[in-house]
Amino acid sequence: LAKTTQPISMDSYEGQEVNITCSHNNIATNDYITWYQQFPSQGPRFIIQGYKTKVTNEVASLFIPADRKSSTLSLPRVSLSDTAVYYCLVGFPLYNAGNMLTFGGGTRLMVKP
Amino acid sequence: GAVVSQHPSWVICKSGTSVKIECRSLDFQATTMFWYRQFPKQSLMLMATSNEGSKATYEQGVEKDKFLINHASLTLSTLTVTSAHPEDSSFYICSAFPSGRNTGELFFGEGSRLTVL
Repeated sequence: LAKTTQPISMDSYEGQEVNITCSHNNIATNDYITWYQQFPSQGPRFIIQGYKTKVTNEVASLFIPADRKSSTLSLPRVSLSDTAVYYCLVGFPLYNAGNMLTFGGGTRLMVKP
Repeated sequence: GAVVSQHPSWVICKSGTSVKIECRSLDFQATTMFWYRQFPKQSLMLMATSNEGSKATYEQGVEKDKFLINHASLTLSTLTVTSAHPEDSSFYICSAFPSGRNTGELFFGEGSRLTVL
């Protein structure tokens, strides 16, 4: 299973761009990278998913270098409501793919006013 | 987007009693659902995979006789914590991939907080 490593916590201020990096050195050829956000006492919510290069949606961007051994979730101009735990998952997107179901420690982002 | 709903959102029970938590996919079918447990300040831990019409698959270290899972239809899975004890107090979350949609995006319920007195 592709293990992921993320910083335990990060602090930021409102309006800043936040970049959270996830290391996944043993990512497999077919693996995708998926990021989830979790607020206290809620289930996680999908943010973004990518395979290589750059993916952007309405809430975030995901940067994946050519070797795919890491990825960076970029949150533009964060607000207080972005305070949450962010999880990086790596695996092949089939419903029974173990990697896609295994959460690492996550990164606790605190956005300050 | 796909919606997963859990009920109850929170429950308090006495030690020794059993508690049932329901997980429903509201606008999609799910042949497989997943149950997680999360303790305070910790990550989600996969407990079991619930399969429609067949037995659930439990992760190592999870007692199948204590955490009964039933997946009777394509939109409903239930988790029953039997003879609950204070150490079972936790946040239980279910999730699912919509059947036939292999995007790798897991849809999660709101979670159910169990407190055993």
